[in-house]
Amino acid sequence: ETGVTQSPTHLIKTRGQQVTLRCSSQSGHNTVSWYQQALGQGPQFIFQYYREEENGRGNFPPRFSGLQFPNYSSELNVNALELDDSALYLCASSKGTGGGTDTQYFGPGTRLTVL
Amino acid sequence: AQSVTQLGSHVSVSEGALVLLRCNYSSSVPPYLFWYVQYPNQGLQLLLKYTSAATLVKGINGFEAEFKKSETSFHLTKPSAHMRDAAEYFCAVSDNSWGKLQFGAGTQVVVTP
Repeated sequence: ETGVTQSPTHLIKTRGQQVTLRCSSQSGHNTVSWYQQALGQGPQFIFQYYREEENGRGNFPPRFSGLQFPNYSSELNVNALELDDSALYLCASSKGTGGGTDTQYFGPGTRLTVL
Repeated sequence: AQSVTQLGSHVSVSEGALVLLRCNYSSSVPPYLFWYVQYPNQGLQLLLKYTSAATLVKGINGFEAEFKKSETSFHLTKPSAHMRDAAEYFCAVSDNSWGKLQFGAGTQVVVTP
């Protein structure tokens, strides 16, 4: 069984640029969630996708957007990058039963540095 | 709104000693609670989760946690620390819908020989 994978592992961008991060969900999972983990902090929920539709969003501005594809892989797009966007971006997949006990399985993350 | 608070950003334990990591939650509904571990330069790995089936939850790598409603706590313990337990540990609460997680700030565990 293949786990959650993310690409790229590291990325360096300059302020104002745009970035796309990618995530492949675990086999059998139809739900993908994205989290931002700033240095020394816990992950913060960005948004979740279920069967290609956004299914909840955290306190992040609209320049953070996402997509989910028919194979349940996902992208996170960030426009107009700011220095504070520097963080580890984590993708997590789950079975999408709709309950609070859904276990989220995390990928290794993408380290984004904005200069 | 739900939230968790982890007491102590850093904990140092001797190899073989008890590991105790504290987590308190705030929730307007019966919570679902999780502990995750993060090793350096890696993603998060689930240690255990509380889903109201039993108040004492056993997880992987010898860890367990006890849900105490009266104290709104979900502390993580391990009787005997190993060097490989050195990592960052996160407590999280689910929003009871689709498993979206609200994490604490984390506790960094250092294990000394």
